[in-house]
Amino acid sequence: SAVISQKPSRDICQRGTSLTIQCQVDSQVTMMFWYRQQPGQSLTLIATANQGSEATYESGFVIDKFPISRPNLTFSTLTVSNMSPEDSSIYLCSAGYRERTQYFGPGTRLLVL
Amino acid sequence: AQTVTQSQPEMSVQEAETVTLSCTYDTSESNYYLFWYKQPPSRQMILVIRQEAYKQQNATENRFSVNFQKAAKSFSLKISDSQLGDTAMYFCAFMIGGDNAGNMLTFGGGTRLMVKP
Repeated sequence: SAVISQKPSRDICQRGTSLTIQCQVDSQVTMMFWYRQQPGQSLTLIATANQGSEATYESGFVIDKFPISRPNLTFSTLTVSNMSPEDSSIYLCSAGYRERTQYFGPGTRLLVL
Repeated sequence: AQTVTQSQPEMSVQEAETVTLSCTYDTSESNYYLFWYKQPPSRQMILVIRQEAYKQQNATENRFSVNFQKAAKSFSLKISDSQLGDTAMYFCAFMIGGDNAGNMLTFGGGTRLMVKP
């Protein structure tokens, strides 16, 4: 398996502000992913972050709202920009491995007031 | 596009008994992988078990086993000797195989399992 950490674990933010979530993996991985989990729901993929290229966003998610960085093979950040209460969710990062398995970080619980 | 369906939003089981969670999927791919993830109240997504579609043998991990019926596109999870710590949301997930597949997961809606003492 893998050890994946996320910071912060939770935050309460005011609307209109931005929050950057960090994801650190204990080994080098090509593919990292960012998911959103709204209350009581399943996971929805926001984007795929590959090192050395622009992130690939899923339908309904745009770079201006969710900019992603992937500066190296063990680290990625997701920024939630110009937040509104509708952005209150759990945000999870994951890492994809050659054996076709994804391991997840512990998640960041975000509340926007 | 792939879809994953979990028809049981909630289930409960008595401690030490056996429970089976259902999952069906739809795909035109022949090379793929199936997963069960557990999400306890801590919200950490934990990989429970993984099945490769080209393997006929059902995967097992200690008390967890799957019944993989490829023709029926069914992938159920059996939890034997249920423990209180098994209380969690369980998500079934699908991933296309192949070198250019991208490792993306498609999740079902989840089943909330409560293990009762």
